[in-house]
Amino acid sequence: DGGITQSPKYLFRKEGQNVTLSCEQNLNHDAMYWYRQDPGQGLRLIYYSQIVNDFQKGDIAEGYSVSREKKESFPLTVTSAQKNPTAFYLCASKGDTAVSGANVLTFGAGSRLTVL
Amino acid sequence: SQKIEQNSEALNIQEGKTATLTCNYTNYSPAYLQWYRQDPGRGPVFLLLIRENEKEKRKERLKVTFDTTLKQSLFHITASQPADSATYLCALDPEGYSSASKIIFGSGTRLSIRP
Repeated sequence: DGGITQSPKYLFRKEGQNVTLSCEQNLNHDAMYWYRQDPGQGLRLIYYSQIVNDFQKGDIAEGYSVSREKKESFPLTVTSAQKNPTAFYLCASKGDTAVSGANVLTFGAGSRLTVL
Repeated sequence: SQKIEQNSEALNIQEGKTATLTCNYTNYSPAYLQWYRQDPGRGPVFLLLIRENEKEKRKERLKVTFDTTLKQSLFHITASQPADSATYLCALDPEGYSSASKIIFGSGTRLSIRP
């Protein structure tokens, strides 16, 4: 089945450590996105990428970094510079699907990061 | 700055009634307006999309309207069921036809349908 795979589902990190969240898609979509969600809040855009080796900052990029070396993969690194990293992180790709029939986002199941 | 507001943080209605959720935006000209459903601890799932030149879209018990003059979309669930209980998110896409664009979300409305 086509979709987005995020790992790990749960992650604990000590303050001062960098951590990388994985996102892989097999939908053959060009565009990929990372969002952050805090409890009871909507989604805030961190980074997005249109094609390999190209990405754009979203509204809250500070303290995060990304890479896009392959079309299928868009990992997110939460650096020690991110002041409040505890959150639910969602990866998505944009494109047509059999269900949507339109250029919309398909999300992964999310990664929950907790800083101890 | 661009802003999207979903008026109700939470909405509680009786089963069988119509639920109406609101999405208002400012300083934005979306090509597409989209609605997603999110269950606790899971990623959002796409429900409906409406384009800037469309007034209304329907899918089964769901209906979306889009008024670009008022900068508002209304999302209706008719004959609501307890299984419709979830958080509903409004999203704006400035360049729907493009493969990548800065898609932004509202804060969501948590809908509860009581039996």
